[in-house]
Amino acid sequence: QKEVEQNSGPLSVPEGAIASLNCTYSDRGSQSFFWYRQYSGKSPELIMSIYSNGDKEDGRFTAQLNKASQYVSLLIRDSQPSDSATYLCAVGANNLFFGTGTRLTVIP
Amino acid sequence: DGGITQSPKYLFRKEGQNVTLSCEQNLNHDAMYWYRQDPGQGLRLIYYSQIVNDFQKGDIAEGYSVSREKKESFPLTVTSAQKNPTAFYLCASGTGREGNQPQHFGDGTRLSIL
Repeated sequence: QKEVEQNSGPLSVPEGAIASLNCTYSDRGSQSFFWYRQYSGKSPELIMSIYSNGDKEDGRFTAQLNKASQYVSLLIRDSQPSDSATYLCAVGANNLFFGTGTRLTVIP
Repeated sequence: DGGITQSPKYLFRKEGQNVTLSCEQNLNHDAMYWYRQDPGQGLRLIYYSQIVNDFQKGDIAEGYSVSREKKESFPLTVTSAQKNPTAFYLCASGTGREGNQPQHFGDGTRLSIL
């Protein structure tokens, strides 16, 4: 069973702060890594993809991947109340495996 | 606009009844997926299909059935054998045959028991 682990939270940060979301995975053969944002009652929305070690930045979002440590993270800079959602980590090997998500609350 | 359309948005099932959830995509994606999400939990894979006329069971296929007669369509039937069907059902599609490509989701169908 391929496992993807996330801290369920809730994670609370003040507006304007950096939110750090973490994810570990068990399958060393994993090749692709994604972060999805899911607002309450809505479907997941892809926000970041990362395939190689290091950092990948897209606007206020930075994904970080460390394959040796089997660890992927998402940083959200200048957090806004609209970032309040559940963030799902997904890891791809022969199929895509999802973590249970971390609930983020940004406090105005 | 390109996307994934799920219908209906809300569905109610009576005891002993089979119900079918629709999923249509116009993204020209080869692969399609069905997930179930229970409150406060992650996504669990029900069935997936990487090519027309072929599909595979996911982690929780019991009580469900699918078909893939057209590339654009991947309907899910929740049979009466599924004793706890109340959940949020999500359909997704993707370009790749392997898990190294992202999946994109429809808006979901909420199924409840009457």
